[in-house]
Amino acid sequence: RKEVEQDPGPFNVPEGATVAFNCTYSNSASQSFFWYRQDCRKEPKLLMSVYSSGNEDGRFTAQLNRASQYISLLIRDSKLSDSATYLCVVTSNDYKLSFGAGTTVTVRA
Amino acid sequence: GAVVSQHPSRVICKSGTSVKIECRSLDFQATTMFWYRQFPKQSLMLMATSNEGSKATYEQGVEKDKFLINHASLTLSTLTVTSAHPEDSSFYICSARDRTEPVWNSPLHFGNGTRLTVT
Repeated sequence: RKEVEQDPGPFNVPEGATVAFNCTYSNSASQSFFWYRQDCRKEPKLLMSVYSSGNEDGRFTAQLNRASQYISLLIRDSKLSDSATYLCVVTSNDYKLSFGAGTTVTVRA
Repeated sequence: GAVVSQHPSRVICKSGTSVKIECRSLDFQATTMFWYRQFPKQSLMLMATSNEGSKATYEQGVEKDKFLINHASLTLSTLTVTSAHPEDSSFYICSARDRTEPVWNSPLHFGNGTRLTVT
C-alpha cells in the first residue's frame, strides 16, 4: 500500500462550484501535513499547511482526520486559475516526506 | 518567502555526457536539500536527501554513482547526472528546508525545476 494516496481525478467543475477531495495516509505516526499546488511543468508551490483543528485560507479549507487518517481540501467558488494538480504531502515521525500522486482539478468557464 | 533558485531551468544534452544542476537557497540556510524526479503525469519521486557536509542518502533504486550529489555549503547543493541516457530525460526538482524552522512542521521550498532532455 502506498504511504500517501490520492484520487487522481480529474475533477472537472464549472466556475463557481465547490470541489473537495481527500488524501489518505498509511502511517499513523505522521506528524505534519501540507497541500501543494503544481501547475503543468512547474514546481510545486505550498498552498497551505493542515492543522489538527482544520484551517481556512480564503476559498480553501483543509481538514485533518487523524482517526481515519486522511486530510481533505475544499475549494469554494472555484476560479479558472484554480485548475492545477494538488499534491498531498505528509511528514512521518522520522521526518520523511511522502507525496501523493496528485489530484487534478480542471475548472471550466 | 523563502526562495530556492535552481539552474539551469532547461538543458538538452547528448547521450553519454554529464549534466550538473544547481540548487541554491537564496535567503535562508538549508542543512537538508532534497532532489526529486518527475516523469510526465506522475508524482514527484524522491531521489536523494542531501545533507550539508556529509554524504547524500539515496532512495532505493537510485544509483548513487550515476546521480552525484554534493552539498558543500548551507546554501548550495548540486546534482550531476553522469553519462546521461535518453531515459534520464525528466523534470528534476530540488527543495530545501530552512534550518531555523522546526523539522517536524516545516514546509518545503522548491526550486523551479530543471527539464532535462537527453538526445
